[in-house]
This record gives sequence, C-alpha cells and structure tokens, in this order.
Amino acid sequence: QKEVEQDPGPLSVPEGAIVSLNCTYSNSAFQYFMWYRQYSRKGPELLMYTYSSGNKEDGRFTAQVDKSSKYISLFIRDSQPSDSATYLCAMDSSYKLIFGSGTRLLVRP
Amino acid sequence: NAGVTQTPKFRVLKTGQSMTLLCAQDMNHEYMYWYRQDPGMGLRLIHYSVGEGTTAKGEVPDGYNVSRLKKQNFLLGLESAAPSQTSVYFCASSPPGSTGGGETQYFGPGTRLLVL
Repeated sequence: QKEVEQDPGPLSVPEGAIVSLNCTYSNSAFQYFMWYRQYSRKGPELLMYTYSSGNKEDGRFTAQVDKSSKYISLFIRDSQPSDSATYLCAMDSSYKLIFGSGTRLLVRP
Repeated sequence: NAGVTQTPKFRVLKTGQSMTLLCAQDMNHEYMYWYRQDPGMGLRLIHYSVGEGTTAKGEVPDGYNVSRLKKQNFLLGLESAAPSQTSVYFCASSPPGSTGGGETQYFGPGTRLLVL
C-alpha cells in the first residue's frame, strides 16, 4: 500500500463547477500537507500548504485537512479552463516529500 | 533571478551510456532534491542534500549517484543507463531555515530522458 493515495482521474468538469480533489494517507506523523499544480510539460508549482488539521482558503482555492481520517482535500470554486492541470498532493516526512500520483483535471469551456 | 534551472532539457541515451544532469539554483537554498516522475507513479525522490557537501538517499536511489560540491549546484549522475531510467527528472530546492517541508520547495522545469 502506498503511503499517499490519490485518484488519477481524469476529472472533467464544466467551467464554473466546484471541483473536489482528495488524497488519503497512512502515516499519522505527517504534519505539513501540500497541493501542487503541474501544467503539461512543466515543473510542479506550490499551490497551497496547510500545517496540521484545519482549513485554509486562498481566493478560489480551499485546502482541508482531517488528520483523524487521514484525508485531505482541495476545493476549487468557479473553476476556469486555466485550472486544467494535474494536481498533486504531498506530505512532509523529515526533509522529504511524499507525493500522491496526481489527479488530472480538465475544465471544459 | 532564474530560480531553479536544469540542463539539459531533453536527452536520448543508449543502454549502458552515462550522463550527468545539472541542477542550479540562485536563491541561496540549503536543501536540494532530485525526483523522477513516471506515469501513474507521481514524483519519487531519488536523492537529496541538506547542505553543501552532503547527500542522502531517497526512495529510489539505485542506479543514480549525486554530488553537491557547491551550494548552488546539485548533480545527478547515471553511470550505466537502463531503459527503466526513462523518465522526467525534476530538481527542487528549499530555502535556509525551512524544515524541508514542501511548503518551501521550488521545482525546476524538468529534464526528459529517453534510454533506448
């Protein structure tokens, strides 16, 4: 079993939809939880990070962490075609990151 | 400020050949990392460094070697390339004083490697 599990998708939604992306993990020692966005043929870029449990909002994006369930989510409101990318969750493990396999999102105009 | 740069962008190797991938960062970051990305596997850590002159193994280190002789550079070497090493390689760095947690990792644009 992988330490971090993520549905690979693809997830196709119409423009303006609310998108929910999720990851589950097995290691209760993880403290930092990140979401990276990766456009095709580009390097990942940090979108949001959360320390421990709770919610964090940044514009149209909300990151949610539920440590009791070992479950994290990223919500995108009013999705745009420019949000079409692969979204990777990641968790820290003592100087290192453990990544999910990524969910490919397509927002249709 | 170029951030994290990687050289080359693309390379084709024959089985058994060797090569070195170069990562450079101009942000004075202490920590540097090499990842590989394969379809359905996400990013997997190959080796990392927490400072000049130091290196450590990550999740998938076999077949690779690294060196961090200068703070700004992190080299990834393949001594005898194999088709299984066909992948996209990403370098990343973290600033000083960070926990090494991902909230501070900055990625380069990647190197596509094809081993025939």
